[in-house]
Amino acid sequence: TQLLEQSPQFLSIQEGENLTVYCNSSSVFSSLQWYRQEPGEGPVLLVTVVTGGEVKKLKRLTFQFGDARKDSSLHITAAQPGDTGLYLCAGVTTDSWGKLQFGAGTQVVVTP
Amino acid sequence: SAVISQKPSRDICQRGTSLTIQCQVDSQVTMMFWYRQQPGQSLTLIATANQGSEATYESGFVIDKFPISRPNLTFSTLTVSNMSPEDSSIYLCSVRRETQYFGPGTRLLVL
Repeated sequence: TQLLEQSPQFLSIQEGENLTVYCNSSSVFSSLQWYRQEPGEGPVLLVTVVTGGEVKKLKRLTFQFGDARKDSSLHITAAQPGDTGLYLCAGVTTDSWGKLQFGAGTQVVVTP
Repeated sequence: SAVISQKPSRDICQRGTSLTIQCQVDSQVTMMFWYRQQPGQSLTLIATANQGSEATYESGFVIDKFPISRPNLTFSTLTVSNMSPEDSSIYLCSVRRETQYFGPGTRLLVL
C-alpha cells in the first residue's frame, strides 16, 4: 500500500496570510491530485500534477510535484475566508488500476 | 463533468440493522467507486462497481458486510450490513470521467 502523509493536520490563519500544506510518501505515484472538501459536500478536484518538478498555479494557489514524484505541496498566497476547507492530496497508484490513495487531509480555517 | 446524487444524505441507525445507500449519476459511466471517510481519517476505497459484474473489494472490506449492486450504468447501491458504531462514517460515491467526481456523501451514525 502506498501511503500518503499530510501535514499539518490543522491550520488556522488570518486573512491575508500565506500557508503551505505538505503531502509526502515513500512511494512513487504516477500523478498526484489535490482536492478541497467543504462541509456536507464531496471532495472537488483542484489540480492534477503529473511530471516530477511540475508547478501549477490556480489563481492564489500554487501546487508543486516533487522531482521524484513522491511528494507535493500546496501553497496559498494571501488566504481568504473562502479558502476555508479540508484539503486532501491523493496519489494515483502506478498499477494498472490507477487507484486513488488519499492523505488524511489538512483542515484549513481562514478567519477575517 | 458528472453530477452525482446520494440518498439518504444522513441517517442515524441502531446497531445490528442495515442501511442501503443509493448513488445516481446524471449520465452513463463504466466504473463507480464507493469510499468511506471516517472522522479525522483519509478516504478509503471500499470497492469498485462495474455494471454487469461483481464488485471488486479492497483489502479489509467484504461483500457480506458491504454488498453492492450496479444494475445499470447510472446507478449503484451500497449496503452497510449488521451495523456497529464502528461503521459510523461518511460514505461517498465516486465516478471517473476525464477526472474523478464525488457525490455529496451519506453521513451515517450508528448507535
